[in-house]
Amino acid sequence: AQSVTQPDIHITVSEGASLELRCNYSYGATPYLFWYVQSPGQGLQLLLKYFSGDTLVQGIKGFEAEFKRSQSSFNLRKPSVHWSDAAEYFCAVGGAGANNLFFGTGTRLTVIP
Amino acid sequence: DAGVTQSPTHLIKTRGQQVTLRCSPKSGHDTVSWYQQALGQGPQFIFQYYEEEERQRGNFPDRFSGHQFPNYSSELNVNALLLGDSALYLCASSLSRQGGYGYTFGSGTRLTVV
Repeated sequence: AQSVTQPDIHITVSEGASLELRCNYSYGATPYLFWYVQSPGQGLQLLLKYFSGDTLVQGIKGFEAEFKRSQSSFNLRKPSVHWSDAAEYFCAVGGAGANNLFFGTGTRLTVIP
Repeated sequence: DAGVTQSPTHLIKTRGQQVTLRCSPKSGHDTVSWYQQALGQGPQFIFQYYEEEERQRGNFPDRFSGHQFPNYSSELNVNALLLGDSALYLCASSLSRQGGYGYTFGSGTRLTVV
């Protein structure tokens, strides 16, 4: 069965601090992995994606994620958080030939000055 | 370049009523997918339309139906509304060959069923 687990419902970090959001997945085939960000009242914006190759992928807004097959994880990181990064973050998984994505329940990020 | 446009932005309906939500895809995209995002949850796949036909469907009852028009725009219809249908409905457009991997999402329609 396909599923995504984001174990942290809410994370609070100070502006300028580093960030890591956790994501674990279960998928019956080779996974394609994604991180999306959602600001209040907005749709989803793609931060980065992993299909194959280098397991460390770079995305927009200074985010990066590392695919670890042995741990079924795809954690999102940012070295220095900005106040504008406050939002909801979703991890998602799909597969080759699939037309839909399975999303986690999201992690809400609060940034304090 | 216009992105994905959804209408209306907000909607309040009564249990048992029917609702139609609309989506105009990003210019150049030919495929439309619909997702339901309940409060505090991640989006869940409802169905995808390509070439005016439902290509794939998620685990949603037949009360949820859709349509795609020749200009690639799409409608989501929900009949016999239940309180549990209250959610943010997201439309995502893409190019057929990209499947779920070239999604551009709209800002969604917030449906409240009372």
